[in-house]
Amino acid sequence: DIQMTQSPSSVSASVGDRVTITCRASQGFSSWLAWYQQKPGKAPKLLIYATSNLLSGVPSRFSGSGSGTDFALTISSLQPEDFATYYCQQANSFPFTFGQGTRLEIK
Amino acid sequence: QVQLVQSGAEVKKPGASVKVSCKVSGYTLTELSMHWVRQAPGKGLEWVGGFNPKDDETVYAQKFQGRVTMTEDTSTDTAYMELSSLRSEDTAVYYCASLWFGELPHYYYYGMDVWGQGTTVTVSS
Repeated sequence: DIQMTQSPSSVSASVGDRVTITCRASQGFSSWLAWYQQKPGKAPKLLIYATSNLLSGVPSRFSGSGSGTDFALTISSLQPEDFATYYCQQANSFPFTFGQGTRLEIK
Repeated sequence: QVQLVQSGAEVKKPGASVKVSCKVSGYTLTELSMHWVRQAPGKGLEWVGGFNPKDDETVYAQKFQGRVTMTEDTSTDTAYMELSSLRSEDTAVYYCASLWFGELPHYYYYGMDVWGQGTTVTVSS
């Protein structure tokens, strides 16, 4: 199984800040890496697929990058609605696995 | 647009079984690859299992093998997840989610793009 390790587990930032969350895989794979946003009490929402492709309607301040074992989600200028928990997920092979999540909090 | 509506909260005793449903609208169940993800209180997301469209079979996380069964009723477009021999650690919100995938020239998986609202399962004596 491919293990996914996210860092940091939590981060405090201010509106307007740039934040990067990283996700490392235990073995390399092609670009089938997804990012999700989850707000308290809500289901996760798919933001980015295939490492760097934004789902329709996702603001362009979100971007994804990476390859092999190292991937990243960057939010270029944080907005109040971006404070949430973010998860990476490898969709390269079964069993699917998620990172442990990164909680993005307001400073 | 695909919509997934799950059954209501459940409270079960240790050792019992629970069966959660996920009703599909906007598409037929046969057009989708349905998966189940759970989230224990204050914890992260955990993939339980789902339909592998490439191999046309249901696959389960090793952790749940032997305790989980995922089925589909195509006459009502409803997916089910049954988890048996429940223990307190199974207390969680269980989500159904549709896997977005492509199949030309080979299968590839984008992620789970539509989610149900979640079903809380509480296991307590």
